[in-house]
Amino acid sequence: DIVMTQTPLSSPVTLGQPASISCRSSQSLVHSDGNTYLSWLQQRPGQPPRLLIYEVSNRFSGVPDRFSGSGAGTDFTLKISSVEADDVGVYYCMQGTQFPCTFGPGTKLEIK
Amino acid sequence: EVQLVESGGGLVQPGGSLRLSCAASGFTFSNHWMHWVRQVPGKGLVWVSLITSDGSGTNYADSVKGRFTISRDNGRNTLYLQMNSLRVEDTAVYYCVRDLSASYWGQGTLVTVSS
Repeated sequence: DIVMTQTPLSSPVTLGQPASISCRSSQSLVHSDGNTYLSWLQQRPGQPPRLLIYEVSNRFSGVPDRFSGSGAGTDFTLKISSVEADDVGVYYCMQGTQFPCTFGPGTKLEIK
Repeated sequence: EVQLVESGGGLVQPGGSLRLSCAASGFTFSNHWMHWVRQVPGKGLVWVSLITSDGSGTNYADSVKGRFTISRDNGRNTLYLQMNSLRVEDTAVYYCVRDLSASYWGQGTLVTVSS
């Protein structure tokens, strides 16, 4: 199974400041079809997860442009350019390249 | 508007069975792969199972293989998860999820396995 790791596991951030979360996979996430099935999800308290970024860097419908994704192969990053109060929650990376699909452990974003 | 609505959760004794359903609307259900993902409250996300758009292909986490069966009825726009031989460690909120990219999630249904 592909193991997904995230750093940091907790991130206290000041409102208006940037935040960055790293996700690393134990194997390359490049699929035989040429796509890289790496998604970033946000889970606000008491809510189901919500897709932010798919295939490494594509922002999902309705996601603010302060969220961006980058990376390739085994190393990926989610960046929030200017954190807002609404961004509090847990962020997960997820790979769908190889079954079983696997998730990172989650990064808790909180406001300082 | 895309909607995924899970149902069928509840309290069951160890060794028992439950069938979860996920009613889909707002999109062409038969065009999309679907997953089940579970989450123990306060813990992380764990992938359970996947089914291809036409139902011809399925995949399972090792922890549920041989006990859970994923299926779908494209005529009824509904995804199912038949859960047999339930264990205490299967206790979780179960989410219905669309696509390999996990584009849409239901609100989840809580399954509690306890004597």
